[in-house]
Amino acid sequence: QAQLVESGGGVVQPGRSLRLSCTSSGFTLSQNALHWVRQAPGKGLEWVAAISNDGSTQYYAESVRGRCTISRDNSNTVSLQMNSLRPEDTALYYCARDESGYISSHWDAWGHGTLVTVSS
Amino acid sequence: QSALTQPSSVSGSPGQSITIPCTGTSSDIGGYNDVSWYQQLPGKAPKVIIYYVSNRPPGVPFRFSGSKSGNTASLTISGLRTEDEGDYFCNSFRQGDTLVFGGGTKLTVL
Repeated sequence: QAQLVESGGGVVQPGRSLRLSCTSSGFTLSQNALHWVRQAPGKGLEWVAAISNDGSTQYYAESVRGRCTISRDNSNTVSLQMNSLRPEDTALYYCARDESGYISSHWDAWGHGTLVTVSS
Repeated sequence: QSALTQPSSVSGSPGQSITIPCTGTSSDIGGYNDVSWYQQLPGKAPKVIIYYVSNRPPGVPFRFSGSKSGNTASLTISGLRTEDEGDYFCNSFRQGDTLVFGGGTKLTVL
């Protein structure tokens, strides 16, 4: 069954770094844009970053711009490098597959999320 | 980066219809037809139910419909069912190469 699986979450101190990965199984990610979305405990969804199918275009939310980098590792994995982490970055991080190769609002597959906790 | 505006909660009885508005600006909803709606059931990952303003993915019941007028997009659910209870989020492309969610609306089916 086609699915997305996030990994790399954990507990980290403020100011430190973390690298999240999103791996697909049952399909390749090379034809679709890919997004990272986060949800703080008990809160709504916040779009974080996106990358186009060929990796040539990356978009970032203002809240993470300059601290995060989204990249394609291979045809089945997209990563989110998060630096200078803050307590407000604490959230469940989802990856979501864009239905298009370009970045759009239409995402047709989601993972189950990986939890990032930023705390001293 | 301000979120799109949604009511925090709506409610309805089984069989009734409800509409959830999502208000933005001419820089997002008003300027693009790239608006989607996501349903998040308790403890689950979100799922797309409407894309590009009014399109329904395969498998989403006809009871779910979307529309847009000016800077406001709307999700209408007809014939409410108890299994529709959950959170609903609008999402739009925004000028400046970003995307933005609404704050989310909790639907209660009484």
